[in-house]
Amino acid sequence: AQKITQTQPGMFVQEKEAVTLDCTYDTSDPSYGLFWYKQPSSGEMIFLIYQGSYDQQNATEGRYSLNFQKARKSANLVISASQLGDSAMYFCAMREGNNNDMRFGAGTRLTVKP
Amino acid sequence: DVKVTQSSRYLVKRTGEKVFLECVQDMDHENMFWYRQDPGLGLRLIYFSYDVKMKEKGDIPEGYSVSREKKERFSLILESASTNQTSMYLCASGLGGGLVKNIQYFGAGTRLSVL
Repeated sequence: AQKITQTQPGMFVQEKEAVTLDCTYDTSDPSYGLFWYKQPSSGEMIFLIYQGSYDQQNATEGRYSLNFQKARKSANLVISASQLGDSAMYFCAMREGNNNDMRFGAGTRLTVKP
Repeated sequence: DVKVTQSSRYLVKRTGEKVFLECVQDMDHENMFWYRQDPGLGLRLIYFSYDVKMKEKGDIPEGYSVSREKKERFSLILESASTNQTSMYLCASGLGGGLVKNIQYFGAGTRLSVL
């Protein structure tokens, strides 16, 4: 069964605008962590932001914030004030319980238009 | 900064060849991982290792093996490369201990073409 679902294969946003990338997940484990990674055309996966299942507040890291809706099992990434350099693939991932490995979604390709 | 280095960015091999993909990390991480990335499928775990000489199968281990003789190095081996193994291969490392918040750090990837 698919654990992580990213329903948007591609997204476009105008430079300086905000954009939301969707991610839903499926788990019965009460303890889990959610991660977002950015993959530019160079190929390297860059860690952006983390949200724990027990965290009371939504995570924020600079222009990145995570809209965590636990009851809906969604963990959407919000990028504010988009820049041309934000054009990349974005992956949502989840780690359950005390597992060492992560599960990744299929990714969303974001294109920022000048 | 964490550094995960994959030995090759691009590789072209022939069907039936034995292929070695090498990965080295410099942060003394216990865990190391090999993923395969294909369009529309995201990243799929091939194997991971939580200690020297220890390994566990991921979701798609068929056709692959791994070796971890030293803590900093994790090798992916394609015993007899096939065209359906043409893909992007990503190595990652991370702390052990099973904490949910442990980040995985990735290398730049190796794009393998099997002809």
